[in-house]
Amino acid sequence: SYVLTQPPSVSVAPGQTARITCGGNNIGSKSVHWYQQKPGQAPVLVVYDDSDRPSGIPERFSGSNSGNTATLTISRVEAGDEADYYCQVWDSSSDWVFGGGTKLTVL
Amino acid sequence: QVQLVQSGAEVKKPGASVKVSCKASGYTFTSYDINWVRQATGQGLEWMGWMNPNSGNTGYAQKFQGRVTMTRNTSISTAYMELSSLRSEDTAVYYCAVGGNWFDPWGQGTLVTVSS
Repeated sequence: SYVLTQPPSVSVAPGQTARITCGGNNIGSKSVHWYQQKPGQAPVLVVYDDSDRPSGIPERFSGSNSGNTATLTISRVEAGDEADYYCQVWDSSSDWVFGGGTKLTVL
Repeated sequence: QVQLVQSGAEVKKPGASVKVSCKASGYTFTSYDINWVRQATGQGLEWMGWMNPNSGNTGYAQKFQGRVTMTRNTSISTAYMELSSLRSEDTAVYYCAVGGNWFDPWGQGTLVTVSS
């Protein structure tokens, strides 16, 4: 089965840039989607197809994907960005797969 | 706007079944797949399966094969997820979500508690 690996936690000061990685075998050949989940709320799509943003998502959220690592980048981090972030891909042997999630802490 | 509204919290005994509903509005219900994802307390997201509301075709994660059934009622734009032979490890929040390529939006979640 296909496995996605995320760091359990990332910490960043307000105004700085946060980078959350998602590792997988040849993930660069797949489309990666990212979700933000705040405590007690349902996940919200923040990036789809590696680097596209849904309407309403700030330009501060961006994504990239190459080789064995996809990255969600949050520029000019704000306190309101504190949340759990999950990557997701579709794999022919595993169907939909989520990463284990990364807790973003804004210091 | 596209919205999914799920049924309320459930408490079930081990061995029982639970059926969660997901009512869609703001779009043509039969145009997009409905997926089900669950999340145990403090844990990550776990995909359970998908359903095509137009055809009724389904696909389930191997872990849930034989225990999960996804159905729909197109006349009321509602999808259902039934999980049987419940055990304590099935205690989780269950979400429905729209989409075949990515999931957007999600329902508000339904807490299912399995306890004797």
